[in-house]
Amino acid sequence: DAKTTQPPSMDCAEGRAANLPCNHSTISGNEYVYWYRQIHSQGPQYIIHGLKNNETNEMASLIITEDRKSSTLILPHATLRDTAVYYCIVSFDRGSTLGRLYFGRGTQLTVWP
Amino acid sequence: EPEVTQTPSHQVTQMGQEVILRCVPISNHLYFYWYRQILGQKVEFLVSFYNNEISEKSEIFDDQFSVERPDGSNFTLKIRSTKLEDSAMYFCASSDSGAEFFGPGTRLTVL
Repeated sequence: DAKTTQPPSMDCAEGRAANLPCNHSTISGNEYVYWYRQIHSQGPQYIIHGLKNNETNEMASLIITEDRKSSTLILPHATLRDTAVYYCIVSFDRGSTLGRLYFGRGTQLTVWP
Repeated sequence: EPEVTQTPSHQVTQMGQEVILRCVPISNHLYFYWYRQILGQKVEFLVSFYNNEISEKSEIFDDQFSVERPDGSNFTLKIRSTKLEDSAMYFCASSDSGAEFFGPGTRLTVL
């Protein structure tokens, strides 16, 4: 079952940063934090993942607290196309074990003009 | 950018019929997965596949389901005798040692 807690919905103005929180207080030492998003009924889209350190790529930044019990996904300049359901998932690294991804309900992010 | 592809995009079938959903994973990936999403519900894991065998399956993946990698590029999900409750979006995914990348899905409608 999903080991994360996310707010069901959030709003953000276009051009502003969207900060999506996630609690994962029972995360184990070798579990990663993954973020995906899903636009309408399209396939989930990988955004970013991390273990301990903060990560940044062309899509987003991931901030993981020092105790690893929570994280924040940051979309630095949200656009209307970022409107989607965002999923925070904790899971083992794909290469070390072939465990499943547990998708919860996620956060519906709505970006408004 | 390489991507996972799935065919068909929409499949309509009669209850009790067999269906095969096809996927072409990203070419250098070694781990393959099927997930499904019933309308309005969560994305659910079905099965993972590595080195030509199933490595994990969920309670949903019963004897009516099977997977196969018939050649070096395709990865298929077969449902032997479809039920109404099999109606859903089916997503294929693949990964190397990093994150899973998902295809666009096949919408299966069982009448």
